[in-house]
Amino acid sequence: QVQLEESGPGLVKPSQTLSLTCNVSGVSVRGDSYYWTWIRQPAGKALEWIGRIYISGRTNYSPSLKSRVTISLDTSSNQFSLRLSALTAADTAVYFCVREAYDTAWYVFDYWGQGTLVTVSS
Amino acid sequence: SSELTQDPAVSVALGQTVRITCQGDNLRNYYANWYQQRTGQAPVLVMFGKNKRPSGIPDRFSGSSSKNTASLTITGAQAEDEADYYCCSRDNSGDHWVFGGGTRLTVL
Repeated sequence: QVQLEESGPGLVKPSQTLSLTCNVSGVSVRGDSYYWTWIRQPAGKALEWIGRIYISGRTNYSPSLKSRVTISLDTSSNQFSLRLSALTAADTAVYFCVREAYDTAWYVFDYWGQGTLVTVSS
Repeated sequence: SSELTQDPAVSVALGQTVRITCQGDNLRNYYANWYQQRTGQAPVLVMFGKNKRPSGIPDRFSGSSSKNTASLTITGAQAEDEADYYCCSRDNSGDHWVFGGGTRLTVL
């Protein structure tokens, strides 16, 4: 079955760059029916879409984060990654890696990782 | 505007019907998806597209939409339905996703 699992540091200092990786199993990231997506959620707050990548390399980023975000795809390892620079305390959140799939004429986030907590603090 | 607005909290008596709504101008052009998030867990898709229910989601969940408003209805709410519910849709550019602020459902 499809599984996604986030990995990365739980604690990062302000102004530094966060790097997270999502290991995907049960499906190839080369599939042309999927986008590979990052979503985050500060404690007690709403979900926030960060961005996504397609097998072609095409990316879309949240306008509010675009200047600081890079999402990349590693087909050899069946993984995708998030880099978020110039961190502040406001970036403290649970980060989810997610598959966006096409289903019955629309797109959905159908598989989610369990989420990884990232705390930005000195 | 590409914002999605939800009521912060709603409550329903056990076995009764509750409607959770989501408003946004972009809903005139795009479908809303609905995600259920229980405490400490990852969200789960419960409704998508033109009122489609994923496999495994009980048929007490249904969806509807009209103009700039999408709705998720639970008919005969159960204790296990207590959760946060988020609507989600494309923004007006079509290239980005936006989430509503979430609605906390309490089953009394």
